[in-house]
Amino acid sequence: DIQMTQSPSFLSASVGDRVTINCKASQNINKYLNWYQQKLGEAPKRLIYNTNNLQTGIPSRFSGSGSGTDYTLTISSLQPEDFATYFCLQHNSLYTFGAGTKLELK
Amino acid sequence: EVQLVETGGSLVQPGKSLKLTCATSGFTFSNAWMHWVRQSPEKQLEWVAQIKAKSNNYATYYAESVKGRFTISRDDSKSSVYLQMNSLKEEDTAIYYCTWILRGYWGQGVMVTVSS
Repeated sequence: DIQMTQSPSFLSASVGDRVTINCKASQNINKYLNWYQQKLGEAPKRLIYNTNNLQTGIPSRFSGSGSGTDYTLTISSLQPEDFATYFCLQHNSLYTFGAGTKLELK
Repeated sequence: EVQLVETGGSLVQPGKSLKLTCATSGFTFSNAWMHWVRQSPEKQLEWVAQIKAKSNNYATYYAESVKGRFTISRDDSKSSVYLQMNSLKEEDTAIYYCTWILRGYWGQGVMVTVSS
């Protein structure tokens, strides 16, 4: 089974900051990596699919990069509505989620 | 508009069974590979099961934690996917989401609580 190590678990930042969240796979996942945002009481919402493809309707301040085992979600300029929890999902071999990153207002 | 609506969540005793239903609309369900994903009270997401389309012989896959206890199925005539959960354990307590992972659509989730 593929394991996903997501970091950091918690991130404190301010509006306007640039932030990055990382996911490391236990083996090559061939860019089959999605990113999700989840707010309290809601289902996860997909932001990025297959490493760097922006979901329709998602602002361009969100971007993804990576290859092999290492992947990154970047938010270029944090907005108030971006404070939420973020998860990665590998779908190269079955499916494994990262443990999540809670992004909080500093 | 794509919609996925889960029903069937409940409070159930350990060892008992429960069946979840996900009714869908707004897309060609028969071609979609459908999944169940759950989220524990600690907020960890876990993929539970997948069922592929008729063209893939309705192949099914399961997480090790539920293999042998849970069964995913589908009824293309009703655009619905199901999760039959048997021999429930307290650690199965979670919000269960129906999801079309390929296109990024999720239902609103349904709560399953396993407790005596």
